[in-house]
Amino acid sequence: QKEVEQNSGPLSVPEGAIASLNCTYSDRGSQSFFWYRQYSGKSPELIMSIYSNGDKEDGRFTAQLNKASQYVSLLIRDSQPSDSATYLCAVNELGRDDKIIFGKGTRLHILP
Amino acid sequence: ETGVTQTPRHLVMGMTNKKSLKCEQHLGHNAMYWYKQSAKKPLELMFVYNFKEQTENNSVPSRFSPECPNSSHLFLHLHTLQPEDSALYLCASSQDRASGGNIQYFGAGTRLSVL
Repeated sequence: QKEVEQNSGPLSVPEGAIASLNCTYSDRGSQSFFWYRQYSGKSPELIMSIYSNGDKEDGRFTAQLNKASQYVSLLIRDSQPSDSATYLCAVNELGRDDKIIFGKGTRLHILP
Repeated sequence: ETGVTQTPRHLVMGMTNKKSLKCEQHLGHNAMYWYKQSAKKPLELMFVYNFKEQTENNSVPSRFSPECPNSSHLFLHLHTLQPEDSALYLCASSQDRASGGNIQYFGAGTRLSVL
């Protein structure tokens, strides 16, 4: 059973602090990893993609990948109230470029 | 604007109706997807089409019938639905990784209510 696990939250973080979102996956050979943000009633939008071990930074967002530990995380620096949303971790199914498995998402709440 | 357009945005239908959802992508991608998202539930993959060929049917009931006439258009034909089919239906598209990344881009979704 291929799985992507996330803590459902809610995760409450004070405004201006760092929000840390974590995800583990079961398919050891997966090569593609994604973080999506979804506001209530809206469709998911891509925040970050990462394909290699290590860190990838884009503005206030940093994705971290550790394939040996089958772990991917998303850090949000200087958290803003507008960052309050559900964050979905997604991982490609082994051997399939055309199929990714989504986690159930972590609800993030930024406290003003 | 993500380049994936879904129509209609909202749909109310009775259990005996037949309706269709439409998705069009303007990104030159080769793969298209249908997902279902019920209230407070995770995304459920329904169908995958790659170069117009169906590569995934995730045990979806036959009252949902997909159609992919070309790589830019995807339909979901609905008939004799049940109230529990009420959900947000999302379309997405992607390119293969060798061509620039297998990131899936989502449309805005169709909010379906079955009465």
